[in-house]
Amino acid sequence: GQQLNQSPQSMFIQEGEDVSMNCTSSSIFNTWLWYKQEPGEGPVLLIALYKAGELTSNGRLTAQFGITRKDSFLNISASIPSDVGIYFCAGLVGQGGSEKLVFGKGTKLTVNP
Amino acid sequence: DAGITQSPRHKVTETGTPVTLRCHQTENHRYMYWYRQDPGHGLRLIHYSYGVKDTDKGEVSDGYSVSRSKTEDFLLTLESATSSQTSVYFCAISGHNEQFFGPGTRLTVL
Repeated sequence: GQQLNQSPQSMFIQEGEDVSMNCTSSSIFNTWLWYKQEPGEGPVLLIALYKAGELTSNGRLTAQFGITRKDSFLNISASIPSDVGIYFCAGLVGQGGSEKLVFGKGTKLTVNP
Repeated sequence: DAGITQSPRHKVTETGTPVTLRCHQTENHRYMYWYRQDPGHGLRLIHYSYGVKDTDKGEVSDGYSVSRSKTEDFLLTLESATSSQTSVYFCAISGHNEQFFGPGTRLTVL
């Protein structure tokens, strides 16, 4: 089945630094989603990407849908302590009632004040 | 926040007992999903529903069954719980490609 390779697995950065993480796959996806999960909570949707080449921003977050439809990246600029959490990419496969998400294994972000 | 609640939020049970987890939505979304989250595996799809009484299996469906008798409720049942089913279970809903997650249920099977 489809798999997503998300990297890096973890990051330790200083407050104010920029962050970049990405997901790659051998499969093509129709939609890419990026989620953030904090301890004890469910994943929260950050950004959704629908078209190959699309670049979308949400505040300090920027994500891109790769032109080949097999990859996506998420950048966080000027990190702050509340950015701490696990970030997941997800790719949507299927159509017509059988849509399913395939998740990467996450990037754990630690921000040192 | 999307209107999704899960109950119970925490449960401890013994091996061999039946367990039912409930997901309730107030968004009237057609699609509902059950995932489990385990260290090293991320989120894995157990079952999903694309309408009332319409369900299908995900990648880790063995040992689980689901039911959806009305739009707002999606139940996940472990007929005979095993220790390997100790996990955090998340429900999600989707109206159009984007999935929104509930707060999760932490299940421990002793």
